[in-house]
Amino acid sequence: EAGVVQSPRYKIIEKKQPVAFWCNPISGHNTLYWYLQNLGQGPELLIRYENEEAVDDSQLPKDRFSAERLKGVDSTLKIQPAELGDSAVYLCASSLRRNSPLHFGNGTRLTVT
Amino acid sequence: DQQVKQNSPSLSVQEGRISILNCDYTNSMFDYFLWYKKYPAEGPTFLISISSIKDKNEDGRFTVFLNKSAKHLSLHIVPSQPGDSAVYFCAASNTDKLIFGTGTRLQVFP
Repeated sequence: EAGVVQSPRYKIIEKKQPVAFWCNPISGHNTLYWYLQNLGQGPELLIRYENEEAVDDSQLPKDRFSAERLKGVDSTLKIQPAELGDSAVYLCASSLRRNSPLHFGNGTRLTVT
Repeated sequence: DQQVKQNSPSLSVQEGRISILNCDYTNSMFDYFLWYKKYPAEGPTFLISISSIKDKNEDGRFTVFLNKSAKHLSLHIVPSQPGDSAVYFCAASNTDKLIFGTGTRLQVFP
């Protein structure tokens, strides 16, 4: 079984620039998550999708962050404009159903200069 | 307000001995608990889980214990191996929201 695929692995941008991250979940996993992980911290949920529907986006800073999951498969997370404090690892995960383990991708490390 | 806490940022254990990683939580509504392992530059990998209706779950060298009255869970690794050196995150779930602790870095030395 292929794992969760994320790209790019690393991204360096200047502040105020836009950036986008892409995620392809495990085939058949209807639930998709975007997490943010700061250095020395655990992952924190940004948004959760059930198929195409964003069912929990309460932690997503909607003034600059947006996400979409077209056709209920791949997902894109966008930041516009990026700020210095956005430097972190952005993790995508998918799961088969509620209370089944999340499978994470290797993440995208974003550095905003 | 940190609902899931891992108070030990690091742990060092000799190869072959037992590693015990601890986790405390504050929300009594959590009903599902998981442990993840993370190597550098990789995403967290699921290790083992336990439902709130159980107090122990075992998978090979890994055992998770849940003490609901104390709101405490622990991960035991026996025997510890150098390849177990990683950051371990505990996580707790309630109504589809999974909340992670801050992690404990385990180092297993020869």
